[in-house]
Amino acid sequence: AQSVSQHNHHVILSEAASLELGCNYSYGGTVNLFWYVQYPGQHLQLLLKYFSGDPLVKGIKGFEAEFIKSKFSFNLRKPSVQWSDTAEYFCAVNVQEDMRFGAGTRLTVKP
Amino acid sequence: NAGVTQTPKFQVLKTGQSMTLQCAQDMNHEYMSWYRQDPGMGLRLIHYSVGAGITDQGEVPNGYNVSRSTTEDFPLRLLSAAPSQTSVYFCASFTLPRVLDYGYTFGSGTRLTVV
Repeated sequence: AQSVSQHNHHVILSEAASLELGCNYSYGGTVNLFWYVQYPGQHLQLLLKYFSGDPLVKGIKGFEAEFIKSKFSFNLRKPSVQWSDTAEYFCAVNVQEDMRFGAGTRLTVKP
Repeated sequence: NAGVTQTPKFQVLKTGQSMTLQCAQDMNHEYMSWYRQDPGMGLRLIHYSVGAGITDQGEVPNGYNVSRSTTEDFPLRLLSAAPSQTSVYFCASFTLPRVLDYGYTFGSGTRLTVV
């Protein structure tokens, strides 16, 4: 089965700083890739996804992610974070009915 | 509103007690899954179902049972609760043709504490 690694457990940034959260997966075949966001006290919401085509995908709230197949990576980026981006971010890899999640990265944005 | 409904939202159990976490979806999704979320470990798959009458184990199935008698419902049973099962449980559903558009739809979670 596929697995997902998120290397940053907790990231603390000031408002307007740039963000990059790492995500690597291990699976030899075709995968679908997702980033989910979980705001405090809420359930997971889909931020963006990639399944084919342009490896640079744009999601909601100014987030984007780049799929680099040779590196098995799907890093999440945002040029300028806001205090409201404080949340936990999960990378996920989907193969058919199986969805595996990374351990999550907690992002704290200081005003 | 269409979506995934989980009950209860909070539960405290004593070690050894049994209980069932309910999950229902009204989107006619064929796939449903149960995850547990623990700090620093992300979401781990407990059990999943690819349709009524069909279930399979995920990463951490021990201590949990599931059944899928209807498309809508996917209850998770704790047979004999243990403190290690203290966690937040999420139910999720999706339909395979649309997972690429919408991802998984998650319920609001059940926070379970076993004392």
